[in-house]
Parts: sequence; C-alpha cells; structure tokens
Amino acid sequence: KNQVEQSPQSLIILEGKNCTLQCNYTVSPFSNLRWYKQDTGRGPVSLTIMTFSENTKSNGRYTATLDADTKQSSLHITASQLSDSASYICVVNWVDSSYKLIFGSGTRLLVRP
Amino acid sequence: ETGVTQTPRHLVMGMTNKKSLKCEQHLGHNAMYWYKQSAKKPLELMFVYNFKEQTENNSVPSRFSPECPNSSHLFLHLHTLQPEDSALYLCASSQEGQGNPYEQYFGPGTRLTVT
Repeated sequence: KNQVEQSPQSLIILEGKNCTLQCNYTVSPFSNLRWYKQDTGRGPVSLTIMTFSENTKSNGRYTATLDADTKQSSLHITASQLSDSASYICVVNWVDSSYKLIFGSGTRLLVRP
Repeated sequence: ETGVTQTPRHLVMGMTNKKSLKCEQHLGHNAMYWYKQSAKKPLELMFVYNFKEQTENNSVPSRFSPECPNSSHLFLHLHTLQPEDSALYLCASSQEGQGNPYEQYFGPGTRLTVT
C-alpha cells in the first residue's frame, strides 16, 4: 500500500534553534517528493520539489534531502523563526500521473520565543 | 497570495441545506482540484478537472457535486451533508502537460461546519 509517514507528529523548539523533520514513504513507482508548509487555517505552500535523481534542495533556511534507495526524506530548518510555526507536509507523486499525490499527515512545528 | 482564491472562507450549514463553494485561479492553469482536509488526517483528493473535463472522482459521495464551467473557475455544490463532512476544503490548480513535476498552488480553503 502506498503510504507516506512523517515523524515526529509534533515538535516544539526555541527560536533560533535548528530542527529536522522526517518522511518515510513506500510509494512505488516514484516520480518526485514535495515538502509543503501549511499555516493554521491556510492552504499548503510549496517549499521544495525533488525528483528521484536529486539528493538535496534548498529554499532559504529550508533544506530538503532525499534518499531514493531507502525511501527517506528530511526537511532541515535552520535558525528557526516564530513564523516557521506551521504544519509541514511531505507529499510523494506517483510516476504515472502528475496529480496523483500521496500526502503525509504532517508534522506540527511550534517555535517559541 | 498564491493566485487561487476561495469563497466563502467559513461556512456553517445544517444537514438539509444546499450551499456551494467557489474557487477561482488567476494563474492561467489548465487543471483544478478539490481536496478535503479533516483534523489530523492527510489531505484527500476529491475531484480533478483537466481542461474543464473531470478526470478523477475519488469515490466521493454524491452529496458533493463539482462543476467546472471554465478553466479558471471551480465549484463544489453541497447538499444533505453529514456532520463528518465538516472539514477544510481546499482548491488547487496546476499547469499540466509534459515535463512533470508541476507544482500545485492551493487556495486558503473554506472551513465548513455541518450542524
């Protein structure tokens, strides 16, 4: 069964600290993996998209890594800010359709001052 | 703003009411989507429209009826809903074609409460 699992479910860190969110998937075949940020009550916003041949991709203080062999991805947030408080969702795309996306349940991050 | 707008942002309706959700995209995309997001659950794809034609219906109950009059507008008509239909309903759009992957741009969502 195609699944995307994220850990931890929730995380609290102090402002300025770094953190890493994990994503494991069993989706096959695989086209690309996406990380989205979703603020409370808002729609998800794309942070990164990586194809199976990419190992890492950065977007400002956000760096995503992908290991297609072990089917694992991580999202590293550097020097966290209060505005980073949100849910971070890992999404995997089937190779047969550009809109067949499997969503993880997300990691809820709270950054405290 | 992502270029995808949704109205209303909040909706409370009784189980016997009929209401509609509206989505409009200003990005020139050719595909639009409806998703349901329930508390602590992953987003669930409901419907996909590609060039105004419905290409996906993920076993959604008939009390949800989509309509896509043109490539910029998408509606979700609601009738005789159940309390478990209370959720955040998200609209998204993308430009589909060769050269996957294409990003999906999400609207802010409509928070629906069924009483």
